[in-house]
Amino acid sequence: GAVVSQHPSWVICKSGTSVKIECRSLDFQATTMFWYRQFPKQSLMLMATSNEGSKATYEQGVEKDKFLINHASLTLSTLTVTSAHPEDSSFYICSARRGGLDQPQHFGDGTRLSIL
Amino acid sequence: QKEVEQDPGPLSVPEGAIVSLNCTYSNSAFQYFMWYRQYSRKGPELLMYTYSSGNKEDGRFTAQVDKSSKYISLFIRDSQPSDSATYLCAMSRGGSNYKLTFGKGTLLTVNP
Repeated sequence: GAVVSQHPSWVICKSGTSVKIECRSLDFQATTMFWYRQFPKQSLMLMATSNEGSKATYEQGVEKDKFLINHASLTLSTLTVTSAHPEDSSFYICSARRGGLDQPQHFGDGTRLSIL
Repeated sequence: QKEVEQDPGPLSVPEGAIVSLNCTYSNSAFQYFMWYRQYSRKGPELLMYTYSSGNKEDGRFTAQVDKSSKYISLFIRDSQPSDSATYLCAMSRGGSNYKLTFGKGTLLTVNP
């Protein structure tokens, strides 16, 4: 159990376009979902935390207008990178956790975003 | 001092060896301790999840937590080439604070 699916796995697009990444919990209801960014050979950097039906909480230094997060249901969260530029190229990973205390985070397989 | 310290390696061992991976931390508020395995170009996979001090075993994997020393370990017995990956330790305060603090990860290669 605790499968998290992320789509697409890889996307290449032109500078200035917007890209949407989906994160779904397939076999559980995710009260909280998280979005991370990972640079090569580095650990994960938390970008934002989202609770179903609420606005996302962004980490310091993360532009909320650049990285739009929607958590419309207990099984789906989306991250939209707006007006993407080459510096936004990265590996984006989502995670989800069940409701209740002390549940671990389960991660998706990530989306490799390349902006030309 | 970083909140979580993890030797990045790389660590190279022969197949069948016992592997020991470690993290130290400075924040005594951490209550939950995790080990994730991450293959190249994939998301982290939860291997072990423990609360407070003690040991937990799952197949070839054993996680140990020593809160008095602020030290956690992951042991892999009979290591296999398929265990070659980056291993991330992570920890959280628990309760209403779900955020994870990660180590930098240790790159492990198991040679056949």
